[in-house]
Order: sequence, then C-alpha cells, then structure tokens
Amino acid sequence: SQQGEEDPQALSIQEGENATMNCSYKTSINNLQWYRQNSGRGLVHLILIRSNEREKHSGRLRVTLDTSKKSSSLLITASRAADTASYFCATGVNQAGTALIFGKGTTLSVSS
Amino acid sequence: GAVVSQHPSRVICKSGTSVKIECRSLDFQATTMFWYRQFPKKSLMLMATSNEGSKATYEQGVEKDKFLINHASLTLSTLTVTSAHPEDSSFYICSPLAGGSSYNEQFFGPGTRLTVL
Repeated sequence: SQQGEEDPQALSIQEGENATMNCSYKTSINNLQWYRQNSGRGLVHLILIRSNEREKHSGRLRVTLDTSKKSSSLLITASRAADTASYFCATGVNQAGTALIFGKGTTLSVSS
Repeated sequence: GAVVSQHPSRVICKSGTSVKIECRSLDFQATTMFWYRQFPKKSLMLMATSNEGSKATYEQGVEKDKFLINHASLTLSTLTVTSAHPEDSSFYICSPLAGGSSYNEQFFGPGTRLTVL
C-alpha cells in the first residue's frame, strides 16, 4: 500500500520560478527520499533526508522534513524546462531491508 | 551510485505468452530484491520482496503464481509474468538491496516496459 500523498498532483510554472511539492506520510519513518522520473524513464535519486534531520540542500533542491506533522517538502529554485518530470517521495521505515514506499507523485511542468 | 541493469527495456507480447524480465546488480551483491510496477501516470507499487535463495514475499493483491520471482544468485533476479494479459501492461522496476545495508539510498533498475496485446 502507498505510504502517503503528494500535493499538488500537478504543477505548472514558468522557467525561473520556484516549485514546491509536499509529501505526507502515515507511519514512523527512518528516512524519506525524493526521486525524479522523466516520462517513460527510470527513477533518478535526488536527495535523502533522515528522520533526525530537518532540512537538507543539494544544488537547487531544498528538502524539509517535519516528523511531527509527518510531512516533507521539496523546493526546486530557479526552475528550468529540464526540471519537467514527475517527482515522488518515498519513505523508508524503521526496519532494515524493508522496501521504500512511494507517494503518488507530483507532475511538474516548467515552460520556457 | 550502484549500477543496476534490466533486460529487456521494452517488450511487446501477445496475450497468453510469458515474459521474463532480468535484473542485475552489476557492482554489488543484492541479498534482497524488490520488484515494483508502475501503471501509466501512477506511482510505483511494491509487488514483492525476495531474498537470495528464499521464496519471495508478495504484497496483497499480487498473484504469486502469475508473477514468478527467482532470486537464485546475489547479482541476478528474474520476474516472469506468466500468461500475460493486457491488464499486465505496465512498467516493471527492480530494486536490489545490498546485504547489510539499511537506511540508505535505494537503487533502481531502469525499468522494463511491458505491453501485452
């Protein structure tokens, strides 16, 4: 079963704008990961944030994690047309060797 | 990151045939393999988990006799879709996990797109 929800389900912005996607989950987690998937392609790992971390940066990406609210957000700053893709959060629970559970994803369209 | 390959990347078959998908972890030994499927415009859904040398554990609603998983070695796992039907058309993605690893980035194969006519 899926762990949580992303919102919005779809987001359309102009190049240069920031894009914020949110993810909520239901159970206790050990870590939360964000992935990107271009249409019809495989997953690209973006960033991993552990449950004892609150914020993490990687280039134009900023991820926050609020375990009290069981939510995370992914911010992409100064978006580019190449950022057009689907973005998924995935949670790892507190058990080694347990599969990641994916959210429903946000489809981001960046127009130039 | 780890190198994971899947073969074939794309397959089209007739209804009733069986299709085998291979997943290889090229630079580490995968004691655990996860198989996911993704329907168009949907998210990844975990199908089953297999440990090397053991029978796979299937998620609720996934038929074990239809989706045969073999994880006979630490670098190769196969998923066979038996008697495929159009509703099995999907994107199948494997995800190997190295022995002893936990709470780290999970690696994924590039996926296999199955179309059943």
